[in-house]
Amino acid sequence: QSALTQPPSASGSPGQSVTISCTGTSSDVGGYNYVSWYQQHPGKAPKLMIYEVSKRPSGVPDRFSGSKSGNTASLTVSGLQAEDEADYYCSSYAGNYNYVFGTGTKVTVL
Amino acid sequence: QVQLVQSGAEVKKPGASVKVSCKASGYTFTSYYIHWVRQAPGQGLEWMGVINPSGGSTTYAQKFQGRVTVTRDTSTSTVYMDLSSLRSEDTAVYYCARPSISARDFEYWGQGTLVTVSS
Repeated sequence: QSALTQPPSASGSPGQSVTISCTGTSSDVGGYNYVSWYQQHPGKAPKLMIYEVSKRPSGVPDRFSGSKSGNTASLTVSGLQAEDEADYYCSSYAGNYNYVFGTGTKVTVL
Repeated sequence: QVQLVQSGAEVKKPGASVKVSCKASGYTFTSYYIHWVRQAPGQGLEWMGVINPSGGSTTYAQKFQGRVTVTRDTSTSTVYMDLSSLRSEDTAVYYCARPSISARDFEYWGQGTLVTVSS
């Protein structure tokens, strides 16, 4: 199972929006509506931000939104804030109880 | 509240094995799968495998098959991850994680356990 492809970096000024892509195959991203997104600050455990493509867990700001088209999922962070600077990872169910993560994207708030 | 508490850091020599524990609390242990995810220094997240605490069935990533064994002890609500034939590339932080009600994500995470493989 190959890692899902994400851009290494993304950036935006405070208040702007940034969108991160996550490209897989029809065996993972394209085959299931089970894409999730994680935020990770240095030295910390990942935090679930989006599950089932576009659902937000309780407590996650509505500035975070997710979508999917074909084999590519996307995470958009609107109204960027300083605390959004972190690494972001996507993940997808890949069938037969297998999962795969994305390569990760470092988001910088300029 | 849901908590996953992992065992402490380990230093191992190449060729040895390591066993990391993950003690769950705050929910019914047998109702949610437990996953293991690792992260090498400066690298991304890597899914290793999953156990169903109810029956003990497991699924492992192909990369780790034959080297990883995940078990559980329902009497103590603890899951164990055993990784054998360690090599330097196995140096990483190992996390256990529990899904949300959707069951196909990782909502709750342990604090991580650093395993260092060095001669």
